Amino acid sequence: SYVLTQPPSVSVAPGKTARITCGGNNIGSKNVHWYQQKPGQAPVLVVYDDSDRPSGIPERFSGSNSGNTATLTVSRVEAGDEADYYCQVWDSSSDHSVVFGGGTKLTVL
Amino acid sequence: QVTLRESGPALVKPTQTLTLTCTFSGFSLSTSGMCVSWIRQPPGKALEWLARIHWDDDKSYSTSLKTRLTISKDTSRNQVVLTMTSMDPVDTATYYCARTRMTAVGHYFDYWGQGTLVTVSS
Repeated sequence: SYVLTQPPSVSVAPGKTARITCGGNNIGSKNVHWYQQKPGQAPVLVVYDDSDRPSGIPERFSGSNSGNTATLTVSRVEAGDEADYYCQVWDSSSDHSVVFGGGTKLTVL
Repeated sequence: QVTLRESGPALVKPTQTLTLTCTFSGFSLSTSGMCVSWIRQPPGKALEWLARIHWDDDKSYSTSLKTRLTISKDTSRNQVVLTMTSMDPVDTATYYCARTRMTAVGHYFDYWGQGTLVTVSS
């Protein structure tokens, strides 16, 4: 089955740029989606189809995907961005399953 | 306004069957392209996709759990039901339902319920 690998944690100072990676075999050929989850809350979609943002999501959130790595970039990081972030793809080779990464804890210093 | 809400027992005993209901509003599961999925999250762990049902009643299940899962819908009541048999303490998790959008190359979850914590213990 398809595996997505995320770093367990990323730390960044306020106002700086955070980059959260999601690794997978030829992930560039898949559409990647990203979710933000704050403690005690349900996940929220922040980027879909590699780089599109749902309405209401700040432009500070952006995504890219190429080769074996997809990246969620959070610019001008704010304290309120501290959360767990999950990447997700659809694995067409495995019963049309959905695969999530292990999650990355973004800490704002 | 799209909303989803999960309901079901907070506590089940090992070997019992879990039945969860997702009640939604703001969209119709009879609309072409619309789906609803179930996803769970053990305490302190990552998200795990469980099952999906499509507007045309097509269904997909997690490969590792498919023998234990059944998903169904009641379009007239705007509800999706998930049953999971042979519950075990490792199935303790928050269970979410989510509206699922289909693209040409996959699916993503654009609206989520608040989740319901299910504990498996004797």
